[in-house]
Amino acid sequence: GEDVEQSLFLSVREGDSSVINCTYTDSSSTYLYWYKQEPGAGLQLLTYIFSNMDMKQDQRLTVLLNKKDKHLSLRIADTQTGDSAIYFCAESVTGKLIFGQGTTLQVKP
Amino acid sequence: DTGVSQDPRHKITKRGQNVTFRCDPISEHNRLYWYRQTLGQGPEFLTYFQNEAQLEKSRLLSDRFSAERPKGSFSTLEIQRTEQGDSAMYLCASSARDSINEQFFGPGTRLTVL
Repeated sequence: GEDVEQSLFLSVREGDSSVINCTYTDSSSTYLYWYKQEPGAGLQLLTYIFSNMDMKQDQRLTVLLNKKDKHLSLRIADTQTGDSAIYFCAESVTGKLIFGQGTTLQVKP
Repeated sequence: DTGVSQDPRHKITKRGQNVTFRCDPISEHNRLYWYRQTLGQGPEFLTYFQNEAQLEKSRLLSDRFSAERPKGSFSTLEIQRTEQGDSAMYLCASSARDSINEQFFGPGTRLTVL
């Protein structure tokens, strides 16, 4: 079946690295995505990774993909208070996105 | 602003009433999606269109729900005989027909059923 799981909450201090983890079930997903949702704002695509890659770096963001274990992670370097938000991982299955339940990232000054 | 727009942003209705939401996608995007998000959860897929054709509907989309995209541009989502369990944020997204399938989301319509 289609299922995406994430831990619900992460708290870090400003300047530390944050690592948000996700597991998914559909091995046919071609792309996997990380979205950010801030209070009162829409979902914003942060980054994505093609399923035949194992790492992608984009400025402060690093995505790691372990396809064998169906495990995806998002690392945010030098986390800032502006990074406080809910982060969703998602897999693309026959065109639609299947989202996890979201990880709330709290950044303490 | 050339992003995805949704109207209305908020809707309060009484149980049993019908409601209709509108989504205007990014103009060159031929794919349009509807999702529903309840508090503390990720968005759940409802349905999607490629041009005017409705290609997939979720089991979540009961017979009280209907979506249309008559000319392959804007879309409407109608809920008939609303129930309190329909209270949620209804999100619309659009994407271009490419392999990456980057979906751009609108701000959503928050529905409250009293």
